[in-house]
Amino acid sequence: DQQVKQNSPSLSVQEGRISILNCDYTNSMFDYFLWYKKYPAEGPTFLISISSIKDKNEDGRFTVFLNKSAKHLSLHIVPSQPGDSAVYFCAARYGGSQGNLIFGKGTKLSVKP
Amino acid sequence: DTGVSQNPRHKITKRGQNVTFRCDPISEHNRLYWYRQTLGQGPEFLTYFQNEAQLEKSRLLSDRFSAERPKGSFSTLEIQRTEQGDSAMYLCASTRRTPRSYNEQFFGPGTRLTVL
Repeated sequence: DQQVKQNSPSLSVQEGRISILNCDYTNSMFDYFLWYKKYPAEGPTFLISISSIKDKNEDGRFTVFLNKSAKHLSLHIVPSQPGDSAVYFCAARYGGSQGNLIFGKGTKLSVKP
Repeated sequence: DTGVSQNPRHKITKRGQNVTFRCDPISEHNRLYWYRQTLGQGPEFLTYFQNEAQLEKSRLLSDRFSAERPKGSFSTLEIQRTEQGDSAMYLCASTRRTPRSYNEQFFGPGTRLTVL
């Protein structure tokens, strides 16, 4: 039973446009959500996070939105750049846990020049 | 480079052999995690250390798997009697525990294991 779901395996976007990556979760005990980016042959790289007490966090071109009632979060990348092409993983942490993360299956983003 | 390092990067072994991977976390990080990632999946939690103490193990960590962090610095993950189903990318991550805040985990490049 997947507790963190990324239902779109892939997404293709034109350079300069907005990329929107979606993530749904089932467990209301999650208290922290993170997005990681992964290039081939590299480990995941942390991008941005959001606490469950907030609904938005912004860092440069990256913004994460959290809708707790819908158990949904999204990552917006504006403007998208070819270097953003990678697999993006959504991850969540149980409240009060030691920090181990539950990951989604990832969405492969392709930004076309 | 002061990031998380993992060795070897690739390991090919025959079924039934034992393998050992090493992870060197970022030096001031006291928490260390092991994850496994198979094709088409996200990383799955295996086990976690705070300093030298192994505090949590996933049910994915069968008795053929053992992890250590003897001096609270580097960690090793050993798989005994490897099976083809053990083929995966093994990822190590580290973070620093601070009171009342959550710190993101930094991942190493991973060790890709292929069991023939």
